[in-house]
Amino acid sequence: AQSVAQPEDQVNVAEGNPLTVKCTYSVSGNPYLFWYVQYPNRGLQFLLKYITGDNLVKGSYGFEAEFNKSQTSFHLKKPSALVSDSALYFCAVRRNTGFQKLVFGTGTRLLVSP
Amino acid sequence: DSGVTQTPKHLITATGQRVTLRCSPRSGDLSVYWYQQSLDQGLQFLIQYYNGEERAKGNILERFSAQQFPDLHSELNLSSLELGDSALYFCASSPAPDRAYNEQFFGPGTRLTVL
Repeated sequence: AQSVAQPEDQVNVAEGNPLTVKCTYSVSGNPYLFWYVQYPNRGLQFLLKYITGDNLVKGSYGFEAEFNKSQTSFHLKKPSALVSDSALYFCAVRRNTGFQKLVFGTGTRLLVSP
Repeated sequence: DSGVTQTPKHLITATGQRVTLRCSPRSGDLSVYWYQQSLDQGLQFLIQYYNGEERAKGNILERFSAQQFPDLHSELNLSSLELGDSALYFCASSPAPDRAYNEQFFGPGTRLTVL
């Protein structure tokens, strides 16, 4: 079985400061990992994914994520937060063999203050 | 705009009723996924169709069913509705071939309220 943990319900950061949204996963075998963002009254938008290779993945809107196999983590980062980054962020995992459903974490609300 | 469309945007109905939610995937995408998002259960995978065939089932109740039509649009049918079925229902699509590493593109969702 696969699972994702997002340990923080909410992350608060000031505009211009770096941000980190944490994600750890559990999966048998190798994972495919994804980050999605959800703005109010909108569907989820894909930000980035890890398939294989370079542990640092760059995505949309200046976001990046670092895959750490030993710590089973895939934290989302951005060097300088914007107020417009305030949204709900979801980490998701899928096993890379056979069919496995995409399993989402519970989400982390990011609040960037001016 | 992801290119995935869902109708209706909002649906209010009573317990025991039946509703149909509709989804049109992005042009060229063959996979359609349905998800339920609620406060207590989070985002849960319900079912996937690929080119008209059911590909995988998740936590979908027997009262719920889905299908994908030859033009690739999909419908999710919810029957004998209960208060607990109130949720946001999302459709997502992804391109062919069907690969686990494909990102999914989500529609804006249908908010279902069961009174």
